[in-house]
Amino acid sequence: GAVVSQHPSRVICKSGTSVKIECRSLDFQATTMFWYRQFPKQSLMLMATSNEGSKATYEQGVEKDKFLINHASLTLSTLTVTSAHPEDSSFYICSAYGTTFNYEQYFGPGTRLTVT
Amino acid sequence: GENVEQHPSTLSVQEGDSAVIKCTYSDSASNYFPWYKQELGKRPQLIIDIRSNVGEKKDQRIAVTLNKTAKHFSLHITETQPEDSAVYFCAASNSGYALNFGKGTSLLVTP
Repeated sequence: GAVVSQHPSRVICKSGTSVKIECRSLDFQATTMFWYRQFPKQSLMLMATSNEGSKATYEQGVEKDKFLINHASLTLSTLTVTSAHPEDSSFYICSAYGTTFNYEQYFGPGTRLTVT
Repeated sequence: GENVEQHPSTLSVQEGDSAVIKCTYSDSASNYFPWYKQELGKRPQLIIDIRSNVGEKKDQRIAVTLNKTAKHFSLHITETQPEDSAVYFCAASNSGYALNFGKGTSLLVTP
């Protein structure tokens, strides 16, 4: 099956600093990657859709200048949380979709971000 | 946009009983309906999915039904086991587009 990795799995940073999270498709080309955020005991909420070589599409209420997304290749998308604050602490999960897939998306293992 | 409602939010069953979780969706363009099991701190794990051209799908103890006219789909787990305890999410999407998740059902199977 298709494998998606995410790095780091956990990160603790100080308020005001920036954190980069990587999402990689290891054995397929991901034309589209999605970034979700999940707060404790809540559902996954879509933050943005990232297509290779083009600007990401952000969901309403998600600040594009705060959550920078880059999908520079068919196997890598990055999410940078800029000037992080404690309220940004959350579980960030990416998923990837390839043109050879009819429907299914494949999830990364997630990144637990804690901002102190 | 798509809106997915999921019920119940919590479900407690005795081992061996059946569990049913129901979801409704709003966008008639949605054509893919997966169900995920998520354990604490882990990624969602696809357990079964159904496409809009199919009314029912079964995989061992798990089945999903889809009613396109009424825009609802359900997850059925039979002969539940303690290891089935987790949070279950339904989702809906149009192929290739982002998944819209329900709010989740916390299932507890007691021995």
